[in-house]
Amino acid sequence: EPEVTQTPSHQVTQMGQEVILRCVPISNHLYFYWYRQILGQKVEFLVSFYNNEISEKSEIFDDQFSVERPDGSNFTLKIRSTKLEDSAMYFCASIGPESYNEQFFGPGTRLTVL
Amino acid sequence: AQTVTQSQPEMSVQEAETVTLSCTYDTSESDYYLFWYKQPPSRQMILVIRQEAYKQQNATENRFSVNFQKAAKSFSLKISDSQLGDAAMYFCAYRRAGAQKLVFGQGTRLTINP
Repeated sequence: EPEVTQTPSHQVTQMGQEVILRCVPISNHLYFYWYRQILGQKVEFLVSFYNNEISEKSEIFDDQFSVERPDGSNFTLKIRSTKLEDSAMYFCASIGPESYNEQFFGPGTRLTVL
Repeated sequence: AQTVTQSQPEMSVQEAETVTLSCTYDTSESDYYLFWYKQPPSRQMILVIRQEAYKQQNATENRFSVNFQKAAKSFSLKISDSQLGDAAMYFCAYRRAGAQKLVFGQGTRLTINP
């Protein structure tokens, strides 16, 4: 069964560095999402992406964040200058044409900012 | 703003018994969707069951069923004949009709005792 994949599974970075988190959604899916979960807190929506543009974003998704679908298969989340408070689990999700009501999630990338 | 609350951080149940996980939500919308997601250890979240708010009948998927009380804004998950493989973190989630994002509860960690 097709799955959403994410790389790396764990990323450690220094404060102020740029990181790119990568996701490969299921191949015929059209809507893409990023969520994050700070340890001990709720899973929070960051951004949704459709037709090569952001369709919705939360107040968390400020100018330090950007998303891109560079090659038709990958979906990336870039954090330009990481802060300590960006340490979290980041989940990618996608929705396909046959399952418009079900978001399929990846396993997550654990980002640790030192 | 919509909020989802899961008041049970942890639950445990004996194998083969029935367990109910609680979820309440707050919204002023009349058209929305509710979901239960399961996240096994170190695995991605998968959809267990969903409920459309306009449907009065409670959703059922095999051993999983919900008790949807729209007026009370309550959406509990019942797992019958619990199995060891049901051990996971369970998240309740809400999505307003026409919106992109899921709003999650804090999660309930379910342990199955053999």
